[in-house]
Amino acid sequence: QKEVEQDPGPLSVPEGAIVSLNCTYSNSAFQYFMWYRQYSRKGPELLMYTYSSGNKEDGRFTAQVDKSSKYISLFIRDSQPSDSATYLCAMSLSGSARQLTFGSGTQLTVLP
Amino acid sequence: DADVTQTPRNRITKTGKRIMLECSQTKGHDRMYWYRQDPGLGLRLIYYSFDVKDINKGEISDGYSVSRQAQAKFSLSLESAIPNQTALYFCATSEPTGTSGYEQYFGPGTRLTVT
Repeated sequence: QKEVEQDPGPLSVPEGAIVSLNCTYSNSAFQYFMWYRQYSRKGPELLMYTYSSGNKEDGRFTAQVDKSSKYISLFIRDSQPSDSATYLCAMSLSGSARQLTFGSGTQLTVLP
Repeated sequence: DADVTQTPRNRITKTGKRIMLECSQTKGHDRMYWYRQDPGLGLRLIYYSFDVKDINKGEISDGYSVSRQAQAKFSLSLESAIPNQTALYFCATSEPTGTSGYEQYFGPGTRLTVT
């Protein structure tokens, strides 16, 4: 079993829809949770970052972490065609190593 | 100019050949990483380096070696390439401390095909 599980999709939604992307994990020691966005033929870039449980909002994006359920989510409101990309969850233990464990990514297409 | 650059961007090589992938960064970060990305498997860490004299194996280091020539340069070598090393390879950098240390900055990737 992988440490981090992510539905690969592909997920296709109409413009303006609310998108929900999710990851589950098995290691309860993870403390830092991130969402990276990867456009086609590009490297991933950090989209959202959350420490421990709770919600974090940034514009149209909301990240949620539920450590009791070992479940994290990324919500995209009013989705746009420019949001079409692969979304990777990532998580890390506390400490100095800063090593990230990534999910396999969910491919999202927002149709105009 | 891009902060993290990788060369070559695409490479096709034959089984058994030695190949080197290069990464350079202008972000001034001490920490550098090499990942491979495969469909359905996500990004997996091959090696990471905290500074020029500190190199560590990641999750899947077998068949790979690295060299940290300077703070800004980190190279990945495949000593004898095999077809299952066909993948997309990414270099990344990060700061060492604080919450910003969890943000990694990725290069554009090298698509490697081993025939």
